[in-house]
Amino acid sequence: DAMVIQNPRYQVTQFGKPVTLSCSQTLNHNVMYWYQQKSSQAPKLLFHYYDKDFNNEADTPDNFQSRRPNTSFCFLDIRSPGLGDTAMYLCATSREGGHTGELFFGEGSRLTVL
Amino acid sequence: AQSVTQLDSQVPVFEEAPVELRCNYSSSVSVYLFWYVQYPNQGLQLLLKYLSGSTLVKGINGFEAEFNKSQTSFHLRKPSVHISDTAEYFCAVSDGDYKLSFGAGTTVTVRA
Repeated sequence: DAMVIQNPRYQVTQFGKPVTLSCSQTLNHNVMYWYQQKSSQAPKLLFHYYDKDFNNEADTPDNFQSRRPNTSFCFLDIRSPGLGDTAMYLCATSREGGHTGELFFGEGSRLTVL
Repeated sequence: AQSVTQLDSQVPVFEEAPVELRCNYSSSVSVYLFWYVQYPNQGLQLLLKYLSGSTLVKGINGFEAEFNKSQTSFHLRKPSVHISDTAEYFCAVSDGDYKLSFGAGTTVTVRA
């Protein structure tokens, strides 16, 4: 049974047209993460929520926003996508904030900006 | 923040042959080490992790890794690979905060 579900799996959008990616989890984990993974590169952390506390990475572009309305759901909003935002976006959860535990990943949302 | 170096970007290997994927990390007082696997068009799945204790860690699908503190390495091995092991493998490290730093990945292609 899927525990971290991302929608949509594939999204094509036009340059500058806003897009929202969603993530839901059935694990009741308190930490949720968004990673960006470009082709043949390592996943790069964009931001994470520890419960309702939002933590933005210093180099995450202002173009990227996130919302977590409740424990189960988290959204990634890209306000004005550029060609360079074409990537796989991975949502992950963990039970604790420190990394003695495991991250559980969704299958990813592959975004293509034309 | 930690940095992770995966020394091989591509590893071709024949079925039933052994494979070793190399990973080095920047030194720290204490680290937690992970290997993740990513199959095509899927998310990442944990293979194994080192938190403390025995330096030889066994994971799923017959993989194991050895933590070597003096060499700051955490190499992944499997004695006999299958076609189904074709995937991308990521080494990751944390020094206990929320941030997991990933290596650039190693693509393993298993050939019959």
